[in-house]
Amino acid sequence: QQPVQSPQAVILREGEDAVINCSSSKALYSVHWYRQKHGEAPVFLMILLKGGEQKGHEKISASFNEKKQQSSLYLTASQLSYSGTYFCGTNFGNEKLTFGTGTRLTIIP
Amino acid sequence: DGGITQSPKYLFRKEGQNVTLSCEQNLNHDAMYWYRQDPGQGLRLIYYSQIVNDFQKGDIAEGYSVSREKKESFPLTVTSAQKNPTAFYLCASSKSVFGAINNEQFFGPGTRLTVL
Repeated sequence: QQPVQSPQAVILREGEDAVINCSSSKALYSVHWYRQKHGEAPVFLMILLKGGEQKGHEKISASFNEKKQQSSLYLTASQLSYSGTYFCGTNFGNEKLTFGTGTRLTIIP
Repeated sequence: DGGITQSPKYLFRKEGQNVTLSCEQNLNHDAMYWYRQDPGQGLRLIYYSQIVNDFQKGDIAEGYSVSREKKESFPLTVTSAQKNPTAFYLCASSKSVFGAINNEQFFGPGTRLTVL
């Protein structure tokens, strides 16, 4: 089942903070976060694993609530370069990721 | 530099024709994936491969075919049976499919296919 991301879109001024959420109806083994600029390839941001382990960029902050089957990505003091569409990919203990429909983030000066 | 290449970047096809999209990686990754991206629908998995000469259907495999004759290469054929093939196609790889839980996927630059 495809995870649900919220919000679908958000507009921020430079320096403001944002939270992007990803919810699943099935038990999760891990949540992966990617950012995609228009017309480009998605770029890996971070993986959050069942049990609390995290892998990814030091400047990116995220959480994973296993009981609620939810993950949140925290973007603080946003910069223009943060603009793009953010996708969460969920893993249910199998060989693949199931991606959400994305959250479009626009940062304005 | 290690990475994934996809060609061509833009592809135009007449209705009823088959077309093959190329994907090559020099990351020495075992696992490779093909995704389709449509506006507002995120990434949907078409096929994936764990090892040479083996591949599995993803969520939307109908109308597509793949081969994995070499570790580095995973071409995707969009057949005439695919009813709505116009989309952005992304190829990805990771160290191991069996490590899909905790291995990041590296994406190629994509091929935008338009059916005329």
